[in-house]
Amino acid sequence: DTEVTQTPKHLVMGMTNKKSLKCEQHMGHRAMYWYKQKAKKPPELMFVYSYEKLSINESVPSRFSPECPNSSLLNLHLHALQPEDSALYLCASSQDLVGRAFFGQGTRLTVV
Amino acid sequence: EDQVTQSPEALRLQEGESSSLNCSYTVSGLRGLFWYRQDPGKGPEFLFTLYSAGEEKEKERLKATLTKKESFLHITAPKPEDSATYLCAVQAYSGGGADGLTFGKGTHLIIQP
Repeated sequence: DTEVTQTPKHLVMGMTNKKSLKCEQHMGHRAMYWYKQKAKKPPELMFVYSYEKLSINESVPSRFSPECPNSSLLNLHLHALQPEDSALYLCASSQDLVGRAFFGQGTRLTVV
Repeated sequence: EDQVTQSPEALRLQEGESSSLNCSYTVSGLRGLFWYRQDPGKGPEFLFTLYSAGEEKEKERLKATLTKKESFLHITAPKPEDSATYLCAVQAYSGGGADGLTFGKGTHLIIQP
């Protein structure tokens, strides 16, 4: 199994809603990542979980909060988002901090 | 700050017309340089990893090369199914923290039949 699975594929939420994005991998990878990608832009790193340690891109607002229940799962909790947060949210994993990252197909998020 | 610059931004080729995409990078210490392909609305698909200057990797019609300042993705006799956005990314050594990938803006490649 060489897949990173993200759910849901599409999500529409209001600015007062709370929702979560889910990511799962069964490759035994020890590092998992969240990226944000706006239209016609490259992916931008939001968070990294590796060996139970969280690293945060300091530019990411607090309305995004990651959670890593176990080494195979990575969630992204969303609260009080703004329309400019609408984007493709990509999850990725890698064996460790160096090397090939496997990306999921993304969650297309629309904030209304 | 790590920087990745890709050129050209867009490239239109005829089927069979070979060309090269460029990725220039500035990092404090290169852990690895990665090439990905991305189709619209999909996640990036891994193509190659290069770790040191002089290294080359090849897969079907694609060949990636690396120098100390840039990488090239050579496309030989492309087909329409090679149309996609090609992303270059670098991973740098940090001060013990966990780093992800820093991506360039990509080259949008169109292969016309």
